[in-house]
Amino acid sequence: DQQVKQNSPSLSVQEGRISILNCDYTNSMFDYFLWYKKYPAEGPTFLISISSIKDKNEDGRFTVFLNKSAKHLSLHIVPSQPGDSAVYFCAASVGQTGANNLFFGTGTRLTVIP
Amino acid sequence: DAGITQSPRHKVTETGTPVTLRCHQTENHRYMYWYRQDPGHGLRLIHYSYGVKDTDKGEVSDGYSVSRSKTEDFLLTLESATSSQTSVYFCAISPTLVGETQYFGPGTRLLVL
Repeated sequence: DQQVKQNSPSLSVQEGRISILNCDYTNSMFDYFLWYKKYPAEGPTFLISISSIKDKNEDGRFTVFLNKSAKHLSLHIVPSQPGDSAVYFCAASVGQTGANNLFFGTGTRLTVIP
Repeated sequence: DAGITQSPRHKVTETGTPVTLRCHQTENHRYMYWYRQDPGHGLRLIHYSYGVKDTDKGEVSDGYSVSRSKTEDFLLTLESATSSQTSVYFCAISPTLVGETQYFGPGTRLLVL
């Protein structure tokens, strides 16, 4: 069973608008969450993370929101740019030092239309 | 970019044959990982290494073995490939177990006929 779920396989957004990518998790032990971005023919690259002691983390155009009671997190990209077109994976672990036990979602393909 | 290479980048093989994928790093990072990516599953950890000759199983280790005889090389072996092992395989490295420090290679696309 997928412990981390991304229910939207794809999302299209106009350039300059907000992109919102969603992620749900089922394991209440998860307390650290990461987003990765993946371009075709490349490996994923780390984008942003959040600990369960926070409900928001911001880095430039990227903000991640965490709703622990709903077991839900979202990634907001504002404003969206064509270069943001990629597949985005959310991942979760127990503890910040859980890279050997990361659980990934299935990914959401974001297309930003110029 | 972190110095990670994977070889081969593409491979087609037949069911029952052994296959070895190689991950090579130039960063001297302690931790190395093998993942597979499949539609409907995202990335799943196969095995990881926490030092030379030190390895442990991940979520989907059945049918796979690994070896790390040098810091820079982490080998993934499919002893007898099956069609269910058709996938894209990613190697990753990290200096710590903090997820943000994990860097991924470009991937190997394996097709088992």
